[in-house]
Amino acid sequence: GQSLEQPSEVTAVEGAIVQINCTYQTSGFYGLSWYQQHDGGAPTFLSYNALDGLEETGRFSSFLSRSDSYGYLLLQELQMKDSASYFCAVRNTGRRALTFGSGTRLQVQP
Amino acid sequence: NAGVTQTPKFQVLKTGQSMTLQCAQDMNHNSMYWYRQDPGMGLRLIYYSASEGTTDKGEVPNGYNVSRLNKREFSLRLESAAPSQTSVYFCASSGQQTGGDEQFFGPGTRLTVL
Repeated sequence: GQSLEQPSEVTAVEGAIVQINCTYQTSGFYGLSWYQQHDGGAPTFLSYNALDGLEETGRFSSFLSRSDSYGYLLLQELQMKDSASYFCAVRNTGRRALTFGSGTRLQVQP
Repeated sequence: NAGVTQTPKFQVLKTGQSMTLQCAQDMNHNSMYWYRQDPGMGLRLIYYSASEGTTDKGEVPNGYNVSRLNKREFSLRLESAAPSQTSVYFCASSGQQTGGDEQFFGPGTRLTVL
C-alpha cells in the first residue's frame, strides 16, 4: 500500500516563506506531485518531481529526496491568496492513478 | 476550451436512490479519474480509466460503477445511495505526456444522501 504524511495546518504571515513537508511510503515510487485547493474549489496542479532536487516555478518550489522518501513544497513571498490546502501525491510505477495525502491547510495572516 | 466539466453541481438523494454523475473533458486526454473528498480530508480514488475502453478500481470502489462512454466522457453511478456516500465528487483527466502526474480537475459535485 501507500501512505503519505503531511502536517494538518501551517500558519504564516504575508511576505514570509513557508515549507510544507511530505513523507511517503510506497512500493515502486515514480514521482511526487503537489496540488493546491482553495475552499470550495477544485484541486489545481502546482508541481512535480521525479528526480532528486529542487524544481522552481515562480514563487513556488518543490524538492524531492528519493532516498529519504521525503519532499517539500516551498512558498516564498506569501500572499493572502496563498491561503488554501496543499496536497502531496504519489504515483506508483505502471499506474496512472495518484494517491493523495490528507492535505495541509495554510493560513496566511496579514 | 471548457476543460473538465461535471454535472450536476449539487444533488440531494434519499437512501436507496440511484444517480449518475457525468464528466466530460475536451483536452483529448486518454486517462480519466473519479475521486471523492470528505470534509477535511484528501482525495480518494474511486475508479479510473487509463484509456478508452478500460476501467480499474481505485482505493474505495464499493458502491460505485463507472462507464467510459468514449474518450471524452466518464460517468460514475451510485446504484443504491447510502449516507456514507455523502461527499464531494471530483472528476479529473490527464494526458499522455504527463503520465498521470498532472491532472486537471472538474469543479466537483456536492452530493448529500439523507
